[in-house]
Amino acid sequence: AQSVTQLDSHVSVSEGTPVLLRCNYSSSYSPSLFWYVQHPNKGLQLLLKYTSAATLVKGINGFEAEFKKSETSFHLTKPSAHMSDAAEYFCPRGSSNTGKLIFGQGTTLQVKP
Amino acid sequence: DGGITQSPKYLFRKEGQNVTLSCEQNLNHDAMYWYRQDPGQGLRLIYYSQIVNDFQKGDIAEGYSVSREKKESFPLTVTSAQKNPTAFYLCASSIWPGNNVLTFGAGSRLTVL
Repeated sequence: AQSVTQLDSHVSVSEGTPVLLRCNYSSSYSPSLFWYVQHPNKGLQLLLKYTSAATLVKGINGFEAEFKKSETSFHLTKPSAHMSDAAEYFCPRGSSNTGKLIFGQGTTLQVKP
Repeated sequence: DGGITQSPKYLFRKEGQNVTLSCEQNLNHDAMYWYRQDPGQGLRLIYYSQIVNDFQKGDIAEGYSVSREKKESFPLTVTSAQKNPTAFYLCASSIWPGNNVLTFGAGSRLTVL
């Protein structure tokens, strides 16, 4: 079955340091992969999506993600964390025949001053 | 501005009562989705609909019901048969057939007293 695994349930960084949130997916010939962010008691906002056009995907707010087929990974990075980046992050994959998104358990990002 | 409106934002219910959560979108999207979010479990799909007057069960449909009488509306009823209804509920929509890019509402938090 198609699935995603977010390797860390909680990540803590200091403000101004790099952010790395890790996501692996089960192998698929053509995955659609996404990163969403959720602030407390809010809905989810799309950060970026991968749809095979380029392996390095740039998103909003300085985030980017690199698709690595050989490692079945789609990790999210940001060079310098800001306090406002503290939130829950999800990397779902798309189901092509239903349109739905399949979610992992999420990663909570804490940013310390 | 186009978007998804969920109401109410907070809802309290006594055991044994049915409650209905509203979801309205003005994005002209064909597909709509209901997800349930519990701490540490990510998002799980309850029901989805790709066209008016048609809908399919997701992964955790037991104890829930939906209707899709209008393109812009997809209400979710949490019935008394749902054994553990306290959760955060998120509605989303997308174009169909599409690219799995879901737009989410701000969510409704249901607490059973």
